[in-house]
Amino acid sequence: GENVGLHLPTLSVQEGDNSIINCAYSNSASDYFIWYKQESGKGPQFIIDIRSNMDKRQGQRVTVLLNKTVKHLSLQIAATQPGDSAVYFCAEILAGNQFYFGTGTSLTVIP
Amino acid sequence: NAGVMQNPRHLVRRRGQEARLRCSPMKGHSHVYWYRQLPEEGLKFMVYLQKENIIDESGMPKERFSAEFPKEGPSILRIQQVVRGDSAAYFCASSPRVRGANTEAFFGQGTRLTVV
Repeated sequence: GENVGLHLPTLSVQEGDNSIINCAYSNSASDYFIWYKQESGKGPQFIIDIRSNMDKRQGQRVTVLLNKTVKHLSLQIAATQPGDSAVYFCAEILAGNQFYFGTGTSLTVIP
Repeated sequence: NAGVMQNPRHLVRRRGQEARLRCSPMKGHSHVYWYRQLPEEGLKFMVYLQKENIIDESGMPKERFSAEFPKEGPSILRIQQVVRGDSAAYFCASSPRVRGANTEAFFGQGTRLTVV
């Protein structure tokens, strides 16, 4: 679940386009997943979550997809806005409340 | 209900000094996590604590770093004899005692440690 010393992958999208951010998790025993958004100089903030008994969950402009077969999580942001520019992290949570984060992806929205 | 409070927000230490970072979890939360983040990098897990217990410290360096979460008061991350490589943002998160259907961790704003 940890990535040490890896620089963030980046994604640039045009304002109004849809964004897809991907995350591979490591532990098949993880039963809960969260996407966090981290703006510059701030702590990560909750966006959306999904339990392992689901494969899709929708929020406002965001959708999370879970593929347990390949241990893959994605975050889709519809009609991306400049305010969506941030670093996005997925977190996998094990039964003991242990959170492990992916490397993160830096999203830049081009006006 | 105040969020996770970390202080100080910014801390400058000279090499060899000690750094003490404090984290007050949200009310009712008894699980605390510490993460370290270097510029342009992801969050690196350091330690997971419950009240008076260290549950997982697999991400903590073996020397100079220690963490505690006493029965009363904030969680403390302590770095002794700091070196320039310790310069980073240190984030604390907390989650509730009971693992419910949707138990998320809430993050503080972080402490930015600069070692000069």
